Amino acid sequence: EAGVVQSPRYKIIEKKQPVAFWCNPISGHNTLYWYLQNLGQGPELLIRYENEEAVDDSQLPKDRFSAERLKGVDSTLKIQPAELGDSAVYLCASSLVQNTEAFFGQGTRLTVV
Amino acid sequence: KQEVTQIPAALSVPEGENLVLNCSFTDSAIYNLQWFRQDPGKGLTSLLLIQSSQREQTSGRLNASLDKSSGRSTLYIAASQPGDSATYLCALTGGFKTIFGAGTRLFVKA
Repeated sequence: EAGVVQSPRYKIIEKKQPVAFWCNPISGHNTLYWYLQNLGQGPELLIRYENEEAVDDSQLPKDRFSAERLKGVDSTLKIQPAELGDSAVYLCASSLVQNTEAFFGQGTRLTVV
Repeated sequence: KQEVTQIPAALSVPEGENLVLNCSFTDSAIYNLQWFRQDPGKGLTSLLLIQSSQREQTSGRLNASLDKSSGRSTLYIAASQPGDSATYLCALTGGFKTIFGAGTRLFVKA
C-alpha cells in the first residue's frame, strides 16, 4: 500500500515568488495535516483537515499561506509571496480519523534565496 | 499549553549498547503518544503508538512506556545497531492537537 506521497521533494525559489506543494494521503484517511519543520526542531502544525474541511488553521500565516483539500483527498499548500524565513521542510501527514496514528510523507524541502 | 521536552538532545553510543530516550510533557490529558524516527532529509516513520489507557508498547527491539502521572515516556532500544542512527521524536496528541518534541539525535558507532 502506498504511503503519503508529497511532491516536489525539493524546491528552490527566489523570495517574493509563489510556490505550491502537493500531498496525496493514504487512501481512506479522513484527516490530513500540513506541518512545518525547521532544522533541529520538531514539526509544527500549520493546518488540519477533516475530509475537505479545515478544522484547525490557527497556526497558518493567512496573509501569505493558503491550503485546500479538494474532494477530501489530495491537498495543496501554497505560499505567495515566499520570504527567506519560509525556508524549511514542509511535511504532510494523514490518519484514519483524528487522534489516531499519523503517517508522514517524505516532505518538501523549500529553500528561499 | 502542552510542552514536550526530549532529553538528551544528542546521544552517541557504541554498537550493542542498550539505551533509553526520554520524553517529558506538562499536560497529562492526552489521547496518545507516538514515537517517530526521522532519517536525515526524510519524513517521519512511526515506530510505536501508546494509547492513553496503555502503559507500554513493544515492537522488536523497541519498547515504549507511558507514565501520565509523572508526565514521562521512554523509548528503550535494545542491542543498538548502526542502522538505528537517526533522530527520534515523540509526539503527544490531546485536544485534537499534536505537539512534537525537538527530538534526540542518536548515533550508534560500529
